[in-house]
Amino acid sequence: AQRVTQPEKLLSVFKGAPVELKCNYSYSGSPELFWYVQYSRQRLQLLLRHISRESIKGFTADLNKGETSFHLKKPFAQEEDSAMYYCALMTDNAGGTSYGKLTFGQGTILTVHP
Amino acid sequence: DAGITQSPRYKITETGRQVTLMCHQTWSHSYMFWYRQDLGHGLRLIYYSAAADITDKGEVPDGYVVSRSKTENFPLTLESATRSQTSVYFCARSSEYNSPLHFGNGTRLTVT
Repeated sequence: AQRVTQPEKLLSVFKGAPVELKCNYSYSGSPELFWYVQYSRQRLQLLLRHISRESIKGFTADLNKGETSFHLKKPFAQEEDSAMYYCALMTDNAGGTSYGKLTFGQGTILTVHP
Repeated sequence: DAGITQSPRYKITETGRQVTLMCHQTWSHSYMFWYRQDLGHGLRLIYYSAAADITDKGEVPDGYVVSRSKTENFPLTLESATRSQTSVYFCARSSEYNSPLHFGNGTRLTVT
């Protein structure tokens, strides 16, 4: 079965410092990985997905299949980046049973101090 | 606007009561999902639906019932609410199996 692990529940950095939110996954097939962000009491929003290889709000994430990781990085954190971040995995549709379900990690609360 | 609306935003109910959380999408996307959000557990899938009249259990389905008689609506019912079901519930939609999910604003449910 698939599993997503975010080892840090809380992460605090100062404004302007680099930030890295860790995500490791366990899945034997071809995964699709996502990062979602949830600002205070708001809906979850898609931040980025690995196949698009985009940089959103200065964040990037590289899928490392050897290390089964998909860490989220930003070189210079901003106060408005303070939020809950979720890493999520979508399994492939082998057998037509995926239905696009996402398996989420436990989440990391990022706080950026001024 | 994510094109998906949940109601109510907040609900307090008593143990043993039946409560229904509503989810409506303004699109006609096939896939819809219910997740619950709890600190330390992240989001866990309760039920999902691939189309009208097609639903299946997720990771934590016990105590919940869903229906999907219309593509646009995907209500979640707690048949006999328990305190352990106090949580924030999110409904989501996606257009096809490998598309990102778009979430509603959530319903914060408290069971006393």
